[in-house]
Amino acid sequence: AQSVTQPDIHITVSEGASLELRCNYSYGATPYLFWYVQSPGQGLQLLLKYFSGDTLVQGIKGFEAEFKRSQSSFNLRKPSVHWSDAAEYFCAVGAITGGGNKLTFGTGTQLKVEL
Amino acid sequence: GAVVSQHPSWVICKSGTSVKIECRSLDFQATTMFWYRQFPKQSLMLMATSNEGSKATYEQGVEKDKFLINHASLTLSTLTVTSAHPEDSSFYICSAEGALAGGRGQYFGPGTRLTVT
Repeated sequence: AQSVTQPDIHITVSEGASLELRCNYSYGATPYLFWYVQSPGQGLQLLLKYFSGDTLVQGIKGFEAEFKRSQSSFNLRKPSVHWSDAAEYFCAVGAITGGGNKLTFGTGTQLKVEL
Repeated sequence: GAVVSQHPSWVICKSGTSVKIECRSLDFQATTMFWYRQFPKQSLMLMATSNEGSKATYEQGVEKDKFLINHASLTLSTLTVTSAHPEDSSFYICSAEGALAGGRGQYFGPGTRLTVT
């Protein structure tokens, strides 16, 4: 069974600083990997996804993530954080089943941005 | 594109009553819909997977008789919490997967906050 680990429960960065959120996965085959963002009381918004090909994936809102098979990682990065980026970030790994793409989520990383 | 809506956004009900939550894909046909439950400050836990026209597949530990899921069309799935109790209070989120979503990505609804008193 697949699993996702997000080692950092909370991260605080200053506005304008760079950001890296860590994600490690466990999956027996080539993974489908996702990053989602959730604002308080809201659903999840897809930031980016990796299926195959180029291991550096560009997403919305200036985010990018790099798939590193050797490290089983899919870390999310942003060169300059904005105050509006404060939210909960979830990494997920997908597995194709007979009934659809089943996602397993990490426990999330709460991002706080200091002005 | 790829908008998923949920209704209601929040609901308060009395213990013992049933509550129905709707999940709609507004601009694409969702071959598969998923229902998640999220407790405060925790991650999403998959409850069940539903495919249009067939019975839902429930995750281990989820009571299928308590959480009734219907996926009657390619744009609508419903979750009914039957005989709700305070411990069912939670944030319920649906997601939909379809051709527009690339077949391998899920788009999420805004969630429904259920409070059982």
